[in-house]
Amino acid sequence: NAGVTQTPKFRVLKTGQSMTLLCAQDMNHEYMYWYRQDPGMGLRLIHYSVGEGTTAKGEVPDGYNVSRLKKQNFLLGLESAAPSQTSVYFCASSYSAGGPKNEQFFGPGTRLTVL
Amino acid sequence: RKEVEQDPGPFNVPEGATVAFNCTYSNSASQSFFWYRQDCRKEPKLLMSVYSSGNEDGRFTAQLNRASQYISLLIRDSKLSDSATYLCVVTTDSWGKLQFGAGTQVVVTP
Repeated sequence: NAGVTQTPKFRVLKTGQSMTLLCAQDMNHEYMYWYRQDPGMGLRLIHYSVGEGTTAKGEVPDGYNVSRLKKQNFLLGLESAAPSQTSVYFCASSYSAGGPKNEQFFGPGTRLTVL
Repeated sequence: RKEVEQDPGPFNVPEGATVAFNCTYSNSASQSFFWYRQDCRKEPKLLMSVYSSGNEDGRFTAQLNRASQYISLLIRDSKLSDSATYLCVVTTDSWGKLQFGAGTQVVVTP
């Protein structure tokens, strides 16, 4: 099993450009999450999904959109990239939500730079 | 105020020594608690869940103090491979949304 994969691994954008980050998991997990990690800060939740066809806003959703058309895929879109969106983006998935057995499995991350 | 606060370190630890550090959380309704480990430029991975009665996993011991709203992690007999950033993580709802601390860096030296 590949676990959680993310594409691309690296990307450089110019301000105003758009892009989509793809997250895929092969563990048949219902729950999927997008986080961003910035220096000196903990990971912050951007959007999440509790099942195919559902999405919800997290802590820092502005400037991002998501879609979960298939259970195994969770897409994160930046419509008009800004330098403030320079970050490392992690996708995660879990079988269940809540409780001490709720382990989230993370992808390897996408390093995005917006110039 | 951050929801989850940690001492960023680094904690420089001689190989074989014991190191312990805490994190505090602000939401008294927090339900579940975890320690994740993150190696440099890698993804976080679950180290252990933290149970109310405290729990141990090999050389790692985690404690939860709900009254004072902190959790702790103790590493015994530190190995070079324990060098990493340890993330304190808390959930406050049933959707599995995690609140992360910024991490405590541990550097184990020969």
